Amino acid sequence: AQKITQTQPGMFVQEKEAVTLDCTYDTSDQSYGLFWYKQPSSGEMIFLIYQGSYDEQNATEGRYSLNFQKARKSANLVISASQLGDSAMYFCAMREYGGGGNKLTFGTGTQLKVEL
Amino acid sequence: DTGVSQNPRHKITKRGQNVTFRCDPISEHNRLYWYRQTLGQGPEFLTYFQNEAQLEKSRLLSDRFSAERPKGSFSTLEIQRTEQGDSAMYLCASTLGTVLFGSGTRLTVV
Repeated sequence: AQKITQTQPGMFVQEKEAVTLDCTYDTSDQSYGLFWYKQPSSGEMIFLIYQGSYDEQNATEGRYSLNFQKARKSANLVISASQLGDSAMYFCAMREYGGGGNKLTFGTGTQLKVEL
Repeated sequence: DTGVSQNPRHKITKRGQNVTFRCDPISEHNRLYWYRQTLGQGPEFLTYFQNEAQLEKSRLLSDRFSAERPKGSFSTLEIQRTEQGDSAMYLCASTLGTVLFGSGTRLTVV
């Protein structure tokens, strides 16, 4: 089974609107972390936001927030007030702190395009 | 030093040649990872160091691939006898908690 599933290969959003990028995950570990990264066309992976499995509050970082629903095993990224510079590939990733070796496992990504 | 540094940014090599990439992690980070990313895919784990010890290797890391982190600081990833299928972006990351990535080395094997 896929550990990280991103079902939206591409998304479009109008500038200044909010957009939600979906991510579901699969793990039997109790202790894990969920990450979102942005990858512009230049290729670097830019860290956006982190949610620990024991965190009770949803993580927020500026215009980014993570909608963490543990029972559903989902960790959707919400970008508010989209900007043209948000156009990029977005990856969800999980780090399992039990038997997963501490490595990140990535989804296949969602290509976001922000339009005027 | 404000981030993970990777060199070179781009490498074009002929099939059969050896290539070596370097990664300088954030100085206080004790864990270092190498990932490979092909077009249209998410990064795939290759190997992981804690200080100088290589603790895990993916089955993606064939015998032609070797990674070192001799003094627990910078790391090198060498690919011997490159093949066209090795063409990819090679990403290095380091962490004390949050996993931070370098800009990657884009390898093209012709």
